[in-house]
Amino acid sequence: GAVVSQHPSRVICKSGTSVKIECRSLDFQATTMFWYRQFPKQSLMLMATSNEGSKATYEQGVEKDKFLINHASLTLSTLTVTSAHPEDSSFYICSASTGGRTEAFFGQGTRLTVV
Amino acid sequence: GENVEQHPSTLSVQEGDSAVIKCTYSDSASNYFPWYKQELGKRPQLIIDIRSNVGEKKDQRIAVTLNKTAKHFSLHITETQPEDSAVYFCAASNTGNQFYFGTGTSLTVIP
Repeated sequence: GAVVSQHPSRVICKSGTSVKIECRSLDFQATTMFWYRQFPKQSLMLMATSNEGSKATYEQGVEKDKFLINHASLTLSTLTVTSAHPEDSSFYICSASTGGRTEAFFGQGTRLTVV
Repeated sequence: GENVEQHPSTLSVQEGDSAVIKCTYSDSASNYFPWYKQELGKRPQLIIDIRSNVGEKKDQRIAVTLNKTAKHFSLHITETQPEDSAVYFCAASNTGNQFYFGTGTSLTVIP
């Protein structure tokens, strides 16, 4: 299957700072990338959908100014958590799909801890 | 948007028995229904999927059924093994544009 790499896998940051998470499709061109948030023992909550070269579409209730998403190329999307607070601590996972396939492939996730 | 409901939230079965997980969806435009297995701290892995033009699909011990009229689909695991223990998520998608996940089922297979 296709490979999606997410970096970093774990990050600890101080409250008030910003953190950038990268999601790369290594062996295919990802026209669409998805960002999810997952709380312990809960499901994946879709935060936003990004298409290469255009603005991300955010789900209701997700602050676009707080969770900045950039999909500048067909292989890279970034999620920046701005002015992070402890309540932003969570597991963030990206996934990517291509125009020719409907399957989405997941990155390994990023465990964010804000202290 | 799409609303996907999944039941049960937890499921325990004896090794060798079958496990069934059910999902319903709300958006009739959804046409792709994948199932993912997620082990603790790891990424979800696609285990089987079904498209709306198919009613059933099987892959060894795993099968998925889809009822488009009723908007529900199910995952069936036969001859369960301890390594099947994990959290399973169903999802619904409209041609891969957006994926919406069910709430997950924690499956425990008791040896």
